[in-house]
Amino acid sequence: GAVVSQHPSWVICKSGTSVKIECRSLDFQATTMFWYRQFPKQSLMLMATSNEGSKATYEQGVEKDKFLINHASLTLSTLTVTSAHPEDSSFYICSAFDRTDTQYFGPGTRLTVL
Amino acid sequence: GQNIDQPTEMTATEGAIVQINCTYQTSGFNGLFWYQQHAGEAPTFLSYNVLDGLEEKGRFSSFLSRSKGYSYLLLKELQMKDSASYLCAVRSGGYQKVTFGIGTKLQVIP
Repeated sequence: GAVVSQHPSWVICKSGTSVKIECRSLDFQATTMFWYRQFPKQSLMLMATSNEGSKATYEQGVEKDKFLINHASLTLSTLTVTSAHPEDSSFYICSAFDRTDTQYFGPGTRLTVL
Repeated sequence: GQNIDQPTEMTATEGAIVQINCTYQTSGFNGLFWYQQHAGEAPTFLSYNVLDGLEEKGRFSSFLSRSKGYSYLLLKELQMKDSASYLCAVRSGGYQKVTFGIGTKLQVIP
């Protein structure tokens, strides 16, 4: 089946720094990718829809200036958490649909902000 | 908006059958997914229902009733490795946008 990768798998950073997370579709092209966030013992919450070649669509309550999304190619979307704070510590997961309309998730990135 | 409800926890015995229910309220329904998620890992796809009825895939089956806003995931011949969270997710409205329920944490005991 199709594969979606994420990098890094985990990251620890100091408060106030920015962190970039990459999401790649390895064997298919994805004009649309999705970014989710999952806090402990909670479900996945959709943060934004990443659109290749255009602006991302953010869900209500998600700050677009804090969570910068860039979808520069058909296989790569990046999420940058700017000026990270401890409350941003979470599990960030991306996903994409392949042409058979099956959704594949990346393995996730665990962010810890000290 | 959307509202997806499923039990938060369930316990079942190895070798038994368990049914995990999911109810939803949404406009523009366009399909329902079930995912399995082990702690610290990303979800893995189990099933997708867009029409009413039962879809069977090995030990797992999924049922959908669109008129009732209801789905269930049936797990047969439970194994210890089936201990995980099971997420019900609904696609509606916009293109490929999927909303997840809180997930049901299933514990399989010997």
